[in-house]
Amino acid sequence: GAVVSQHPSRVICKSGTSVKIECRSLDFQATTMFWYRQFPKKSLMLMATSNEGSKATYEQGVEKDKFLINHASLTLSTLTVTSAHPEDSSFYICSANGLASVGYEQYFGPGTRLTVT
Amino acid sequence: AQSVTQLGSHVSVSEGALVLLRCNYSSSVPPYLFWYVQYPNQGLQLLLKYTSAATLVKGINGFEAEFKKSETSFHLTKPSAHMSDAAEYFCAVSVNDYKLSFGAGTTVTVRA
Repeated sequence: GAVVSQHPSRVICKSGTSVKIECRSLDFQATTMFWYRQFPKKSLMLMATSNEGSKATYEQGVEKDKFLINHASLTLSTLTVTSAHPEDSSFYICSANGLASVGYEQYFGPGTRLTVT
Repeated sequence: AQSVTQLGSHVSVSEGALVLLRCNYSSSVPPYLFWYVQYPNQGLQLLLKYTSAATLVKGINGFEAEFKKSETSFHLTKPSAHMSDAAEYFCAVSVNDYKLSFGAGTTVTVRA
C-alpha cells in the first residue's frame, strides 16, 4: 500500500519550453502532497506543499511563477516548470501523506530527472 | 524550528560488519523521526520511524534505530552489512507542521 508514482521518470526539454511532471497516489487519497528538488549528492530541498483544491504554499526562495503546482484531486498533483533553463535541470521528487499516515510519514515517488538543454 | 544533523557524510564498512549511521535532532517538542534510504536515481524508501511508542524501533532490511531523548539522537544500526546496503541514507524529523526536515545524508559503501 501507499504507492506514489511519478511521470515521466526522465525528460529532456529545450531551454525556454515548459515541462509538466505528474505525481499520483495510486492506492490512497493524499491529503497533502509535497514537491522536492534534489541536486547531485545533496539532500532534498522542499519546494512547496499543496493541498487538494487550494493554492500551493511555496518555500522561501522558490519562484511560484516558475514552478506551477496544481493539486486538482486527492490523487494527483502536477508540477510545471515554465520557461525552463539549464539551471532547472535536477531530480524532482514528490511525496504525499494521507489520512492513514502516522506521525506525518510521507510516501515518496520514484523521482523525475529533468534535463534542460 | 526542528532540524537534524547527520554526522559523517560518508561511511565505508566491510561486508558483514556493523553499520552505524548517526543522527541528532533539534526540536522543542517531542518529534517524529524517520530514516529513509535512497538508491541511485530513485525516490526515498522508508526504513523505519519513531512516533513516540517504543524507543527501539525495528525497520526493514534488518535495520533498527534507538530514540534517546537525553542525547537527542536517533542513530541507525544494522549488525551485519550486505552489499545491497550501499545507498544514501537520510534522517528526517517532523513535529506539528507535517513537513519533513532532512539531514544532509550519509553515503554508505560496502567493501567486499
